[in-house]
Amino acid sequence: QKEVEQNSGPLSVPEGAIASLNCTYSDRGSQSFFWYRQYSGKSPELIMSIYSNGDKEDGRFTAQLNKASQYVSLLIRDSQPSDSATYLCAVNEEYGNKLVFGAGTILRVKS
Amino acid sequence: DAMVIQNPRYQVTQFGKPVTLSCSQTLNHNVMYWYQQKSSQAPKLLFHYYDKDFNNEADTPDNFQSRRPNTSFCFLDIRSPGLGDAAMYLCATSRGGTGGSEQYFGPGTRLTVT
Repeated sequence: QKEVEQNSGPLSVPEGAIASLNCTYSDRGSQSFFWYRQYSGKSPELIMSIYSNGDKEDGRFTAQLNKASQYVSLLIRDSQPSDSATYLCAVNEEYGNKLVFGAGTILRVKS
Repeated sequence: DAMVIQNPRYQVTQFGKPVTLSCSQTLNHNVMYWYQQKSSQAPKLLFHYYDKDFNNEADTPDNFQSRRPNTSFCFLDIRSPGLGDAAMYLCATSRGGTGGSEQYFGPGTRLTVT
């Protein structure tokens, strides 16, 4: 059973702080890793993808990947109240065209 | 803008009354997916099409069917909705193949069963 694990939260951070979201996965053959943001009642929105070990930065977002530890993280710098949402980690299956999603971490940014 | 469109955005149906949800895409992606998402849960994949090839998840109830008449459109049919089928239904697309696993979601259809 391929699994993606996330802490459900809620993770509460003050405005302007760094939010750190973590994810572990079970399928060692996975090659593609994604973070989606989902506001309440809305659909998931792709915000970051990462394929190689190390860091990938895009604006206030940094994704980090460590395949040896089967660990993916998302850092949000200068957190804003508008970042308050559920963040879903998704990992591709080694074969085929499917993603396995974690249940998501609720982030709350307090002003 | 290239996008994934779902209609209707909100659907109310009666217990046991068939319902069809639609999805269209202008991304020209090969793969189209249908997910069911209930509150505070991860999206649950129901099935997906790679071009015309249909791939059903083992735990998808027979009550759920899908059609993909062409590259742009995909439909989800719920033959006899039960109260437990009330959920958000999400359509997503991807290019597929090596390096094409990013999925892009439509806005979803919120299904209520009365």
